[in-house]
Amino acid sequence: GAVVSQHPSRVICKSGTSVKIECRSLDFQATTMFWYRQFPKQSLMLMATSNEGSKATYEQGVEKDKFLINHASLTLSTLTVTSAHPEDSSFYICSARVFPGGRTGEKYFGPGTRLLVL
Amino acid sequence: AQKVTQAQTEISVVEKEDVTLDCVYETRDTTYYLFWYKQPPSGELVFLIRRNSFDEQNEISGRYSWNFQKSTSSFNFTITASQVVDSAVYFCALSEAVGNEKLTFGTGTRLTIIP
Repeated sequence: GAVVSQHPSRVICKSGTSVKIECRSLDFQATTMFWYRQFPKQSLMLMATSNEGSKATYEQGVEKDKFLINHASLTLSTLTVTSAHPEDSSFYICSARVFPGGRTGEKYFGPGTRLLVL
Repeated sequence: AQKVTQAQTEISVVEKEDVTLDCVYETRDTTYYLFWYKQPPSGELVFLIRRNSFDEQNEISGRYSWNFQKSTSSFNFTITASQVVDSAVYFCALSEAVGNEKLTFGTGTRLTIIP
């Protein structure tokens, strides 16, 4: 089956620094990737949708200048948390949709990245 | 706007008991997809099932079964003869069938199987 990887799996950083999280589709091309954030014991909240080669579409309440998303190729999307603060500590999960010919409606999720900002 | 409600926040059952996780959804779309995902303690989401809104047939996969009732906007998930390995958080999700097919997740049900 399709595989999505994320790197790093876990990161600890100091407040004020920037952190980049990579999401890769390993054996398929993904025109669309989604970024979610999950706080402890809560649901997944969609942050943004990124389409390859175009600007990401952010959900209401998500600061696009703080969470920079780049989807430069059909297999890679990056999320950069700029000037991270402790309240940004969360579990970040990416998801990819197969281009085209994949099973419509089925998404493949990465294993997630745990971010802890001290 | 789409909405998914999982009223049961936590459920505990003794091993080998059957358990049903409820999911109720709201959407204005005529075509949509419904999903169930399992999230074990490791955090990685495990895909369980996808159901098209036009397909109301119930589905069984081993110990898992799903009951989709469009009339009540529900998509319930039953585990029979539960096992300790079933302990996880289970999410029901709804996806639009057009555009980017964004997923809307419910708040999840934490299932604990007691040995």
